[in-house]
Amino acid sequence: DAKTTQPTSMDCAEGRAANLPCNHSTISGNEYVYWYRQIHSQGPQYIIHGLKNNETNEMASLIITEDRKSSTLILPHATLRDTAVYYCIVRVASYAGNNRKLIWGLGTSLAVNP
Amino acid sequence: DTGVSQDPRHKITKRGQNVTFRCDPISEHNRLYWYRQTLGQGPEFLTYFQNEAQLEKSRLLSDRFSAERPKGSFSTLEIQRTEQGDSAMYLCASSLTSPTGANVLTFGAGSRLTVL
Repeated sequence: DAKTTQPTSMDCAEGRAANLPCNHSTISGNEYVYWYRQIHSQGPQYIIHGLKNNETNEMASLIITEDRKSSTLILPHATLRDTAVYYCIVRVASYAGNNRKLIWGLGTSLAVNP
Repeated sequence: DTGVSQDPRHKITKRGQNVTFRCDPISEHNRLYWYRQTLGQGPEFLTYFQNEAQLEKSRLLSDRFSAERPKGSFSTLEIQRTEQGDSAMYLCASSLTSPTGANVLTFGAGSRLTVL
């Protein structure tokens, strides 16, 4: 699976958009980009995923560059409750059998400030 | 559905004792995963079940660790002869086979183990 690179930490003002970058320059054509977050002392929470197209859901938007070598997670109006560690993971699409683990890095620690 | 449930949430044990964690996944999910997470690190994969079959095990899973999912529903993770290095958060997650090949995991709150 492709390796991802994320900044160690970021700050954002409450109510502003938080833009979290992720570099995955070795991504292959059949690898999805997933974003999860983990609030302190809780289990990780799924946010969004995408393959080639930009995606949006009730939590966030995912912008994937045309060459797919990087992506940005956008939290449009960050709140204090969005303070968490955000993980960007790439993983090959698969339909059966084994090798389904996600490989996690250290993520980006996002602090939303009042 | 109440999501993925893990029990106990916290366990303190003495070195050398055995501990068992239980995970109840989302009922319709056919896949179940165990991860381990230490402070400041991302989760590390331990093992994966599809229904009752254990299809993959990490090299992190030494012979002191065993996981089961006897009827393809709940799962248990047992650690025998615990060591202080086993202190960590043990996370369970479940997912459902997707026709797109995407694999979205729903995690439980975790079971925190402290080995004294």
